Amino acid sequence: LAKTTQPISMDSYEGQEVNITCSHNNIATNDYITWYQQFPSQGPRFIIQGYKTKVTNEVASLFIPADRKSSTLSLPRVSLSDTAVYYCLVGDMRGGADGLTFGKGTHLIIQP
Amino acid sequence: GAVVSQHPSRVICKSGTSVKIECRSLDFQATTMFWYRQFPKKSLMLMATSNEGSKATYEQGVEKDKFLINHASLTLSTLTVTSAHPEDSSFYICSASGVTGGPEAFFGQGTRLTVV
Repeated sequence: LAKTTQPISMDSYEGQEVNITCSHNNIATNDYITWYQQFPSQGPRFIIQGYKTKVTNEVASLFIPADRKSSTLSLPRVSLSDTAVYYCLVGDMRGGADGLTFGKGTHLIIQP
Repeated sequence: GAVVSQHPSRVICKSGTSVKIECRSLDFQATTMFWYRQFPKKSLMLMATSNEGSKATYEQGVEKDKFLINHASLTLSTLTVTSAHPEDSSFYICSASGVTGGPEAFFGQGTRLTVV
C-alpha cells in the first residue's frame, strides 16, 4: 500500500482558503486518492476522492498532478467547524482489496 | 454518501466480560468490512478485514481469538472483544466498501469501549 506524507498540523483563519498537500510517491496504477475528515470521538467522514486532474464537490476540491505522486486538498473559505484532522489515503477498496492505511493526518486548526 | 451505522456508540464493561460491536451498511451491500482501533491522539490502526461469508484476515499483532469478527451478511459485521481488559479500552471504528459504484470506503461513527 502506498505510504502518504502530509504536514502534521496547519493553522488558518476563518474565511481563508486552506490547501493541504499530501505526498504519495509510490501510488499504484489502480489506486485512488481519498481524503477524510475526522472530529474527536467520531469516525472519519468522506470528503472527496479522485484519480487524476481535478475533482470538485460541494465542500472541497482535489488537485492531482499528472504524475499522481502528490495531491492537494483545497477547502474554500474555512470556518471554525473545519477544525479537525484530515487524512489523505491512497488505495482501491473495491472487491475486497486491502484496508486503507491511515497515516498521521493533518491537524487543521481554524482561528477566528 | 453511503451510510454505515455502528452500535453501540459507547460501552462500559467489567474486566473479563465480552462486548459485541455491530457495524451495518444501511443503503448498500458491503462486500468487505474493516475494523480499526484508535487510541487517543493517534491515527486509526487497521485490525482486520472481513469479506462476507469468509473468515476475517487479521493484521499482524492482532489476536484473532480475542477479537472475533463475523461478517454473516452483506450488511452486517460484528466485532466481539472477548475477555476484555483495561488495555482493550479504545475507540473502535468499522468501515465498509462494496457495491456503491465507487472505490471509497465509508466509516461508522465509532464505539468508545471502556473496560473497568
